[in-house]
Amino acid sequence: SQQGEEDPQALSIQEGENATMNCSYKTSINNLQWYRQNSGRGLVHLILIRSNEREKHSGRLRVTLDTSKKSSSLLITASRAADTASYFCATDLYNNNDMRFGAGTRLTVKP
Amino acid sequence: NAGVMQNPRHLVRRRGQEARLRCSPMKGHSHVYWYRQLPEEGLKFMVYLQKENIIDESGMPKERFSAEFPKEGPSILRIQQVVRGDSAAYFCASSLQGDAFFGQGTRLTVV
Repeated sequence: SQQGEEDPQALSIQEGENATMNCSYKTSINNLQWYRQNSGRGLVHLILIRSNEREKHSGRLRVTLDTSKKSSSLLITASRAADTASYFCATDLYNNNDMRFGAGTRLTVKP
Repeated sequence: NAGVMQNPRHLVRRRGQEARLRCSPMKGHSHVYWYRQLPEEGLKFMVYLQKENIIDESGMPKERFSAEFPKEGPSILRIQQVVRGDSAAYFCASSLQGDAFFGQGTRLTVV
């Protein structure tokens, strides 16, 4: 089963614009992770945010976490065509040996 | 159509023993990826295989680790002479051309 649920399912923007993707989950978590997947390739880990953190930055990426709403958002600023990919959030239930992924958001950045 | 099946779910090995982790991809999927997850960390890519071929093993340690995906049967991740640092959750994912689907992982504990 999948716990993280991303929205929107698909997002199309112009190069230079910002892209925001959201993720909701259902149970308590230790941390939440965002991944990117280019078509036909494996996942690339982007950023991990712990349950006691509210915001984290990495380059053009900004992740927020609201544990009261059980939601997270991934913001990509100044998007580029190379950012075109599917983005997944995953809740880490490591101690239960169970990584759960949402269905992902397909981001298309038009040049 | 069963999802990606990994077994065993939990594996305990003494230092110096061999660990064999199995991954049966979804029916029809010819691409398999292996990842390792340490506590409080994201998935780290290890190896990408297609049937009978290793496509990308850039994430595999040079020694003691090997992977195969034979024409028939599951993909195997083999760790020889395990050490405590090999303790982790190992996930595999399979895909045809698009999104990858993940198994529930194998938790390896080296004692």
